Amino acid sequence: ELKVEQNPLFLSMQEGKNYTIYCNYSTTSDRLYWYRQDPGKSLESLFVLLSNGAVKQEGRLMASLDTKARLSTLHITAAVHDLSATYFCAVDTGRRALTFGSGTRLQVQP
Amino acid sequence: DTEVTQTPKHLVMGMTNKKSLKCEQHMGHRAMYWYKQKAKKPPELMFVYSYEKLSINESVPSRFSPECPNSSLLNLHLHALQPEDSALYLCASSGHPSGSNNEQFFGPGTRLTVL
Repeated sequence: ELKVEQNPLFLSMQEGKNYTIYCNYSTTSDRLYWYRQDPGKSLESLFVLLSNGAVKQEGRLMASLDTKARLSTLHITAAVHDLSATYFCAVDTGRRALTFGSGTRLQVQP
Repeated sequence: DTEVTQTPKHLVMGMTNKKSLKCEQHMGHRAMYWYKQKAKKPPELMFVYSYEKLSINESVPSRFSPECPNSSLLNLHLHALQPEDSALYLCASSGHPSGSNNEQFFGPGTRLTVL
């Protein structure tokens, strides 16, 4: 059974600081997705990582994928309050289905 | 049109009621999904339709019955639900069922409360 683990589960950080969220998964896959969810809202697609070594950046967020280590990271640079949300990684093992990590609730304090 | 729509936004139903959730996309996507999400938890896959055929049923109780009338529409029929079925129900679609990119686009969800 595929397990997808994120850490930390909760992250409180100050504006302007940098931090990294980690996503580990237990089976072979080269397709990983990052989503953002605001409270009471749906999921918004952030990044699609489809190969080993893939790196994508959008604004203050950068995601990378290391399929050999079965690890993806979401790096936050100079956090701002607007980034406060829950971030999920999701792994596709080829079943046309995504298995989500537990989510990381990010709170950026002014 | 680059969005997935869901109706209703909110639904309150009794345990003896029958109701349906609806999902629609006009992106030409050929795979559609139902997920259930409880508070502070990740979405859990319920069903996958690929080219209008049910391809995955994640051991969901029979009180949930999916239907895919055509490639743009997905329904979830609800009957005799339990209070623990209260959750946010999310519909998603993806464009490449046979391709490598399974990026899924989510609708706004239906918040279901079972009394």
